[in-house]
Amino acid sequence: DAGVTQSPTHLIKTRGQQVTLRCSPISGHKSVSWYQQVLGQGPQFIFQYYEKEERGRGNFPDRFSARQFPNYSSELNVNALLLGDSALYLCASGTLGGEGKQGYTFGSGTRLTVV
Amino acid sequence: GESVGLHLPTLSVQEGDNSIINCAYSNSASDYFIWYKQESGKGPQFIIDIRSNMDKRQGQRVTVLLNKTVKHLSLQIAATQPGDSAVYFCAENPRNTPLVFGKGTRLSVIA
Repeated sequence: DAGVTQSPTHLIKTRGQQVTLRCSPISGHKSVSWYQQVLGQGPQFIFQYYEKEERGRGNFPDRFSARQFPNYSSELNVNALLLGDSALYLCASGTLGGEGKQGYTFGSGTRLTVV
Repeated sequence: GESVGLHLPTLSVQEGDNSIINCAYSNSASDYFIWYKQESGKGPQFIIDIRSNMDKRQGQRVTVLLNKTVKHLSLQIAATQPGDSAVYFCAENPRNTPLVFGKGTRLSVIA
C-alpha cells in the first residue's frame, strides 16, 4: 500500500513568491492535515480538511490557504513568502476520529527554503 | 505552540540499554496521546498510542506510561538499538482538536 505522498520533496522560492504543495492521502483516508515544522521544533498545526471541508485552522496568517479535492488529495498554498516560512511542511492523512496509524499517518514532507 | 529553539534535549544511551524519554503535556482535557519517531529527512512515524483511561500500554520493545495527575507521559524503549536513534515527539489530542506536539527529544545510541 502506498503511504502518504507529498510533492515536491524539496523546493526553493524567493521572498514574495507563491508556492503550492501537494498531498495524496492513503487510500481510504478522507482526512488530511497540514503541519509546519521549523528546524529544531515539533510540527505546528496549520489546517485540517475532511470531506473537502475545513475542520480546523491553526494560528497561521491568511497567506496560508488549503483545499481538498473530491479524491481527498489536498493542496497547501502560501502567498507572499517570507524567510520565516522556510520549513518542512508535513501532510498527515487519517480517518476522522481514528486513532494511531488510522488517525494520523504522516508523509515525508516538503522541504521549503525561502531565500 | 511550544518551541525548543535549535537545540533539542538529547538523551545518549549505550546500545542494549533501556531508554526513557519523558514528555509533559499541557491540556488536562487531552484524552489521547501518541509517540512519534522522526528520523532525519522524514516525517514523524507512529510508534505507540494510549488513551487517557489507561496508564500503561506495551508494544514491541516499547512501553508508554501515562500519569494524568502530573500530566506526564513517558516512552520506554527496551534494548535500545542504533536504529532507534532519532528525534522522539509526544503528541496530545484534546477532544475534537488537532494533534499538539510536545518538545522533541533527540535519542543518540552509542554503539
